[in-house]
Amino acid sequence: DTAVSQTPKYLVTQMGNDKSIKCEQNLGHDTMYWYKQDSKKFLKIMFSYNNKELIINETVPNRFSPKSPDKAHLNLHINSLELGDSAVYFCASSHGEKLFFGSGTQLSVL
Amino acid sequence: KQEVTQIPAALSVPEGENLVLNCSFTDSAIYNLQWFRQDPGKGLTSLLLIQSSQREQTSGRLNASLDKSSGRSTLYIAASQPGDSATYLCAVGSNGNQFYFGTGTSLTVIP
Repeated sequence: DTAVSQTPKYLVTQMGNDKSIKCEQNLGHDTMYWYKQDSKKFLKIMFSYNNKELIINETVPNRFSPKSPDKAHLNLHINSLELGDSAVYFCASSHGEKLFFGSGTQLSVL
Repeated sequence: KQEVTQIPAALSVPEGENLVLNCSFTDSAIYNLQWFRQDPGKGLTSLLLIQSSQREQTSGRLNASLDKSSGRSTLYIAASQPGDSATYLCAVGSNGNQFYFGTGTSLTVIP
């Protein structure tokens, strides 16, 4: 019944590795997002997709690549992980104005 | 670019008190404003959404107001309870499905 679900919840990995975070929404929303929340709890938009098309791509290293196989999924792939990538990554979706969030993926790069 | 600020960054009140959280934004050309609650280690839960044409929204003990011209919103919590302890974030919705988040207010309600 979870509206926006993302996996894994925790991800611990070594520097230089490649990892992916998956997100799925069952709300029928057209727009999905990836947000990054830093240690000070500040949430910053990374990407936004509308009907599988990229509409927002904020200043994010090109090591981060979103992929939307269909309207209900928006995955985030990260290459060559760095220490500074450690954060909580949130997936969200919206239809019109209201945002619905997943429970977050805590990424720790060692 | 829209900048959203929340004051105070942290607030501690005794149970039963009424309190106000503040959110200010720099660009008044907004579509809506949304207040969220975030519990430790959890995602964000939407509390209230105010359209740009509205002045306030109410849900239970929560009341959110919006003054677009002055770039301000407040979240009023009546008769606070320990279960209200969380971080509260406001998010301003602009065109193109852009949402800009504030820095959050960490609320502690002391029993």
